[in-house]
Amino acid sequence: EAGVAQSPRYKIIEKRQSVAFWCNPISGHATLYWYQQILGQGPKLLIQFQNNGVVDDSQLPKDRFSAERLKGVDSTLKIQPAKLEDSAVYLCASSTPRTGEQYFGPGTRLTVT
Amino acid sequence: AQSVTQPDIHITVSEGASLELRCNYSYGATPYLFWYVQSPGQGLQLLLKYFSGDTLVQGIKGFEAEFKRSQSSFNLRKPSVHWSDAAEYFCAVAPNYGQNFVFGPGTRLSVLP
Repeated sequence: EAGVAQSPRYKIIEKRQSVAFWCNPISGHATLYWYQQILGQGPKLLIQFQNNGVVDDSQLPKDRFSAERLKGVDSTLKIQPAKLEDSAVYLCASSTPRTGEQYFGPGTRLTVT
Repeated sequence: AQSVTQPDIHITVSEGASLELRCNYSYGATPYLFWYVQSPGQGLQLLLKYFSGDTLVQGIKGFEAEFKRSQSSFNLRKPSVHWSDAAEYFCAVAPNYGQNFVFGPGTRLSVLP
């Protein structure tokens, strides 16, 4: 069984630029999560999808962050415009109701200069 | 709102020694509880989880954790640490099945030869 795929693995941009991250969850997993992990901290949930609907986006900075999950499979997370404090690892995870546990991708490390 | 504390930011143990990583949560009811491990540059891997039943749960890589309702704790233990266990360990709670995951700040484990 293939794991959660994310791309790119690394991205360096200047502040005020835009960036997008892609996630492909494990096949058949209806729930998809995006987390932000700042260096030295635990992951913070940004948004949770159930199929292609949003379950929780209460911690998503909606003035600059957006996410979509078309057709209930792949998802993209976008930041526009980026700020220095957005430098972090962005983790994607997926889960199935059968186990209730999350499977994480390798993450995208974003550096904003 | 629920919260998770991991009192130890960094722990160093000698190889072969026993290990206990602490996790305390704040939530009215018994949440779903998880321990994840993150090696440098990697995503998070589930070590074990507690949903209900026996309060001592066994996980992968020889880890176990004990849920203590009276102390709101879910401490992770391993009787004999291996050098490959050096990593960051995160405790997480979810008040609802598959939703609203909150991660602790993490404990970094170093292992001396």
